[in-house]
Amino acid sequence: SAVISQKPSRDICQRGTSLTIQCQVDSQVTMMFWYRQQPGQSLTLIATANQGSEATYESGFVIDKFPISRPNLTFSTLTVSNMSPEDSSIYLCSVNPTLNEQFFGPGTRLTVL
Amino acid sequence: DQQVKQNSPSLSVQEGRISILNCDYTNSMFDYFLWYKKYPAEGPTFLISISSIKDKNEDGRFTVFLNKSAKHLSLHIVPSQPGDSAVYFCAAFSEYQGAQKLVFGQGTRLTINP
Repeated sequence: SAVISQKPSRDICQRGTSLTIQCQVDSQVTMMFWYRQQPGQSLTLIATANQGSEATYESGFVIDKFPISRPNLTFSTLTVSNMSPEDSSIYLCSVNPTLNEQFFGPGTRLTVL
Repeated sequence: DQQVKQNSPSLSVQEGRISILNCDYTNSMFDYFLWYKKYPAEGPTFLISISSIKDKNEDGRFTVFLNKSAKHLSLHIVPSQPGDSAVYFCAAFSEYQGAQKLVFGQGTRLTINP
């Protein structure tokens, strides 16, 4: 298994500002994933982040809005840029240390006013 | 386009009885399915999985059934306990051209009544 921590656990932000969410894993993993769960919705994959390469974004998500860093095998950040109330969601980091196995962090609950 | 669907947003079951959570999918390329359980303010935790080469997988009180022809899977919890009250997500694993991703259903909120 993998132990994943995220910072901050929650935040309330003003429209137009940006927030960077940190994800730390207790072991080295090749792939890290960022998900969003909007209120009442399922988890939606935003992007996949591999160390040493640019993140791969899913349809509907762009780098300018959600820049991702992956400086090493245990850490990643997701920035939510120029926020609007529609960005209010839970943002989750996850890893899959083995094929077909995926673990999630506790999530960051973001509210944009 | 919702490729994984959980059509029941909520389910209420008496303690000790069986809970059955359902999930349908549309993409026949999905070959591995997982169930996650999520408590408020926590991330989803893995519960049980099933490969498309099987039609049943059992782990203690939890059993997952897969009907490939119907593109349907279900999670059975028996006997249900109050601690099982949570949101349950069905997910399908796909790998295409080296890219892996999990596709989630909308979740079903299970409430176990004492």
